[in-house]
Amino acid sequence: KAGVTQTPRYLIKTRGQQVTLSCSPISGHRSVSWYQQTPGQGLQFLFEYFSETQRNKGNFPGRFSGRQFSNSRSEMNVSTLELGDSALYLCASSLGDHMNTEAFFGQGTRLTVV
Amino acid sequence: GQQLNQSPQSMFIQEGEDVSMNCTSSSIFNTWLWYKQDPGEGPVLLIALYKAGELTSNGRLTAQFGITRKDSFLNISASIPSDVGIYFCAGRLSRTGANSKLTFGKGITLSVRP
Repeated sequence: KAGVTQTPRYLIKTRGQQVTLSCSPISGHRSVSWYQQTPGQGLQFLFEYFSETQRNKGNFPGRFSGRQFSNSRSEMNVSTLELGDSALYLCASSLGDHMNTEAFFGQGTRLTVV
Repeated sequence: GQQLNQSPQSMFIQEGEDVSMNCTSSSIFNTWLWYKQDPGEGPVLLIALYKAGELTSNGRLTAQFGITRKDSFLNISASIPSDVGIYFCAGRLSRTGANSKLTFGKGITLSVRP
């Protein structure tokens, strides 16, 4: 069974640009969550999508947005990039139901804003 | 908002030693999780705990869900060099809905001296 796949693995962008990151969940998983990881703040929750609907949202500005497609693949977009957006962006997929099933993480996309 | 506290930030132990880590919260959680992250990879789930007082093992790892639901402990016995990495605790209030997002601690970097 393939794991969670995130593309691209590495990305360099300049301030003011926008970026789109992609996450393909494990087959059969309907929930995709996104996290930002930085050395100072650790893992911060961005948002969660389940069945194409945003189910949860963290405390990030509106420049951070996401969506989920009917095949459960998800994308997140960051507009008007700032230097502080440099981070490892992780996505995690899970079944998203009432059972005790937990999230599996992808390897992440390392975004560097210069 | 909710925060999970992990300290110290770094731990250094000798190969073969046991090590304990704890994670505390100012508010209760109904699920506690422990993840390990290797360099360049996403976090990998080690142990999941779903009931206050629960003690669960996974090989040389043992974790406990605190009775107050505000803390959890992870023990690694007979450490080996591949135990090196960052250990995160995470908590969740409910399985679905607005409180289903994971809150992470900032992690403890474990180094094992051969």
